[in-house]
Amino acid sequence: QVQLQESGPGLVKPSETLSLTCTVSAYSISSGYHWGWIRQPPGKGLEWIASISHSGSTYYKPSLKSRVTISLDTSKNQFSLKLTSVTAADTAVYYCARDLGGGTSDYWGQGTLVTVSS
Amino acid sequence: QSALTQPRSVSGSLGQSVTISCTGTSSDVGGYNYVSWYQQQPGKAPELMIYDVSKWPSGVPDRFSGSKSGNTASLTISGLQAEDEADYYCCSQAVGYVVFGGGTKLTVL
Repeated sequence: QVQLQESGPGLVKPSETLSLTCTVSAYSISSGYHWGWIRQPPGKGLEWIASISHSGSTYYKPSLKSRVTISLDTSKNQFSLKLTSVTAADTAVYYCARDLGGGTSDYWGQGTLVTVSS
Repeated sequence: QSALTQPRSVSGSLGQSVTISCTGTSSDVGGYNYVSWYQQQPGKAPELMIYDVSKWPSGVPDRFSGSKSGNTASLTISGLQAEDEADYYCCSQAVGYVVFGGGTKLTVL
């Protein structure tokens, strides 16, 4: 059973950089598929952020592209998200997921709440 | 890159059917056969219910079905059960990115 687990700080100060890592087990991320990040502000809907293919091609939500970087670490079977210049609007539960392509995410992490506050 | 349009809420009685619509544009829903649907229970991660417009992941009952016409996709749940009460999100491939719908809260009466 493929499992994903998000990790990273739960509290980030405004204007700083949010950094999250997703550790994948029972599947090698270099073997195939895409790997993505989705977030959900408290009480609101899902927002796709970015994804990266197993070969390293990246895709970003246009309105976030200037602030987001997604990357792979195949040696650790992890992928990561960096979001710069955060504001309170970036407060959300952040999920990592395996994307079969076209936004079809079949395995999800449990999600991690990141709060942006001073 | 606007979110896909879903009704904020729908309701149906036990055993009945409900349909949730998801309207986009020719640049997303209408342009790709990559529409998926997710069910989210409170406090839980979303669960894939339908992918590629009308395909079922393993383990999802065939009470859930998907379709698409033009720029609008639909999720139909037949034989409503109490455990179907949840939030539902559509999702579509767009040009170089992926977009979600705003979500629909399903209430089972």
